[in-house]
Parts: sequence; structure tokens; C-alpha cells
Amino acid sequence: KNQVEQSPQSLIILEGKNCTLQCNYTVSPFSNLRWYKQDTGRGPVSLTIMTFSENTKSNGRYTATLDADTKQSSLHITASQLSDSASYICVVIWGGYQKVTFGIGTKLQVIP
Amino acid sequence: DAGVIQSPRHEVTEMGQEVTLRCKLISGHNSLFWYRQTMMRGLELLIYFNNNVPIDDSGMPEDRFSAKMPNASFSTLKIQPSEPRDSAVYFCASSPSGGKGWEQFFGPGTRLTVL
Repeated sequence: KNQVEQSPQSLIILEGKNCTLQCNYTVSPFSNLRWYKQDTGRGPVSLTIMTFSENTKSNGRYTATLDADTKQSSLHITASQLSDSASYICVVIWGGYQKVTFGIGTKLQVIP
Repeated sequence: DAGVIQSPRHEVTEMGQEVTLRCKLISGHNSLFWYRQTMMRGLELLIYFNNNVPIDDSGMPEDRFSAKMPNASFSTLKIQPSEPRDSAVYFCASSPSGGKGWEQFFGPGTRLTVL
């Protein structure tokens, strides 16, 4: 069982619509959580970094939430654009900042 | 300011051959990470350097893999001998400070195909 699970695996939405991606983790002790966006054929780019004390963090149309008690995070994309088509990867840093575990990612396709 | 530079961008080789992947860090950064990405397993951390010193190589799959950081701005990842199961995209990332908790900046990756 993956220690960082993302859902859904893939998602297709219409341009302009909102969507929410989920990340659930089991690793402990938690240090921080990051969401990355990875365009096809490119390296991941950081969207947000969240520490234990942060519940919500926004980066433009991207809003990440974190519930450290239930070990769940979500990434909400508002008013999606075609350029949002990418894989979104959740990463958890844990074990006193000594360990890093990646989710497999959610592949998002935004269609006109 | 240039980001992380990786070369080559694509590499096709035959099983048993030696492969060397290269990475140049962002100027001023002192931590470097090598990752491997496959469809089945996603991103996996292979090794992490801080100030040229390997800190954590627990992700290196086996002795066929080795990584060096001969100076503060450059690193190599070598696979010898290569096998078809090594086919993947290899990323390096640099960070402005030590530790896995800091933001990492990824290079464009090297797509390796071992026939």
C-alpha cells in the first residue's frame, strides 16, 4: 500500500470549471507537504509547501488545504485553463525532514 | 538566471553499456537530489547531496548505480552496466539550502532507454 495516495488517478474537466485533487498519507511524523505541477516532458514545479500549522495556502488559482489530524490534503483549482493540463504530484516530507515520499500523481486534462 | 541544466535530454543505449547523466545546479544552491520517474512507481529519490557530500543514498537501487559531486555546481549519475529495467526519466533537482524540507527546483530530465 502506497504511503502517499492520490485520487483520482486521472480527471478530465471542461475549461472554466473547478476541480479538487486529493492526497492522503499515512507516514509519520509529518514535516511538510508539497504539491507539484508537472507538464508533459518537463520537470515538476512547486505550487505550494505546507507545514504542520498551515491549513490553507493559495497560489493564484491554486488553493491547497491540509488537515494534519486526518492526514489529508487537497488541491483545488479554480476556473481551470487549458494550461492547467498536467500531472499534479503530492509529496510528503516526514521523519524529521529525513524522508520523502511521492504520490503517483493525478493526471488532469482540461478540454475546451 | 538559468535553471537546473541536465544532459543529455535523451539517451538510448544497449544493455550492458555504461550511461552517464549530468546535472548542473542553480548558482548559489548547495543541495542536489537525483530522482527517477517511471509510470509504475512515480518519482523516487535516489540520492541527496549537501555541500558536495552524499547525505542519503538509501534510494540507490543497487551497486550498478553511482553518483558523484566533484564540485559545488556539478554532479553525475552513472549506471554501469545498464539494464532494460533502468529505462526511466532521471531528474536532478537543486535546493538553496540543506535538507529535504526546502523547496527543490527540478531540471528538465533525461529520458533513458536501455534496449
